[in-house]
Amino acid sequence: AQSVTQLDSHVSVSEGTPVLLRCNYSSSYSPSLFWYVQHPNKGLQLLLKYTSAATLVKGINGFEAEFKKSETSFHLTKPSAHMSDAAEYFCVVRTGGFKTIFGAGTRLFVKA
Amino acid sequence: DSGVTQTPKHLITATGQRVTLRCSPRSGDLSVYWYQQSLDQGLQFLIQYYNGEERAKGNILERFSAQQFPDLHSELNLSSLELGDSALYFCASSGGTSGGANTDTQYFGPGTRLTVL
Repeated sequence: AQSVTQLDSHVSVSEGTPVLLRCNYSSSYSPSLFWYVQHPNKGLQLLLKYTSAATLVKGINGFEAEFKKSETSFHLTKPSAHMSDAAEYFCVVRTGGFKTIFGAGTRLFVKA
Repeated sequence: DSGVTQTPKHLITATGQRVTLRCSPRSGDLSVYWYQQSLDQGLQFLIQYYNGEERAKGNILERFSAQQFPDLHSELNLSSLELGDSALYFCASSGGTSGGANTDTQYFGPGTRLTVL
């Protein structure tokens, strides 16, 4: 069975400091992994995706994520947080069977 | 703007009623997905259609049904509504030349907020 665990429900950082949002997955097959962001009262926007090419994936707005098969992780990072990064972030896995599984979400707070 | 449109934006109805949510995918996308987002369940995948055919089923209740029409727009029908059906319902679409592959990026619409009173 496939599953996604986002290890933190809330993360709070100061503006200009690094961001780390953690995601572990479980999959019987080679997964496709995604990070989406949802700003308040908005739809979801793709940040980046991993599809078995390079393990370090660069996305929009300075975000990147590294696929680590040995650790079954796909953590999202950004070197320097901006106030506009405050939002909810979802880690997503898709595997054989075409089902899409979302993590519970991590709400990122950015302090001035 | 993702290019995916959903109507209506808001819907308020009573228990026991039936509603229809509509989704128009991005131009050229063959796959349509439906999701439910609620505070207690988070984001749940409901169902996927690819070029008019059902492709995958998630946690969709029997009271819910969907279809994709020849012009590729999709409708999600929710019947015998209960208070617990109150949620944000998202539609997403993706390119279909790969047959709706797992690697496809899904583009999400703005959602329909359903309130059941």
